[in-house]
Amino acid sequence: AQSVAQPEDQVNVAEGNPLTVKCTYSVSGNPYLFWYVQYPNRGLQFLLKYITGDNLVKGSYGFEAEFNKSQTSFHLKKPSALVSDSALYFCAVREFLSGGYQKVTFGTGTKLQVIP
Amino acid sequence: ETGVTQTPRHLVMGMTNKKSLKCEQHLGHNAMYWYKQSAKKPLELMFVYSLEERVENNSVPSRFSPECPNSSHLFLHLHTLQPEDSALYLCASSQDGTGHYEQYFGPGTRLTVT
Repeated sequence: AQSVAQPEDQVNVAEGNPLTVKCTYSVSGNPYLFWYVQYPNRGLQFLLKYITGDNLVKGSYGFEAEFNKSQTSFHLKKPSALVSDSALYFCAVREFLSGGYQKVTFGTGTKLQVIP
Repeated sequence: ETGVTQTPRHLVMGMTNKKSLKCEQHLGHNAMYWYKQSAKKPLELMFVYSLEERVENNSVPSRFSPECPNSSHLFLHLHTLQPEDSALYLCASSQDGTGHYEQYFGPGTRLTVT
């Protein structure tokens, strides 16, 4: 069964320090992996994705993520955190099945708090 | 703005009411989704429409009824809801089949069932 795990409910980091938000996944086929961010009272915003190709993907607002097939991980990273990065971050996996069906699974979310 | 709009933004309804949520995407996408976001629970995919055909229904109770009249519009018809249906309902769209697949979300409708 397809699943996504975000092991940390909350991550605290000082402004200017590097940040990492963890995500591991489980799918039966090739994963399509995504990171989204949600600010209070807003919908989710797409940050970046891995479909195929280079394992290191770069996205919006200076975020990047590394696809690690052997560890089934897709951790979100940023070299220098900003206070404005404080938000809820979701990892997601999509799997396309036979008959045109698809499954989309989101992690439970990780609250990122950047401390000034 | 993500190009996906939802109305209304807030809705309070009694358990015997009938209401509808509306979603419109202005991105030319070919797939649309309904999600339920409840406090302290993972985002739940409810329905997926690809090329206006439903391709996913995650065992959602029949009191929720989706409608996709065209590729730009998606509705969620609600009737005889329960208090536990109170949540943020998010609509999303994506352009599948072109290497994209990322979803663009609307701001959501905050639903309260009394």
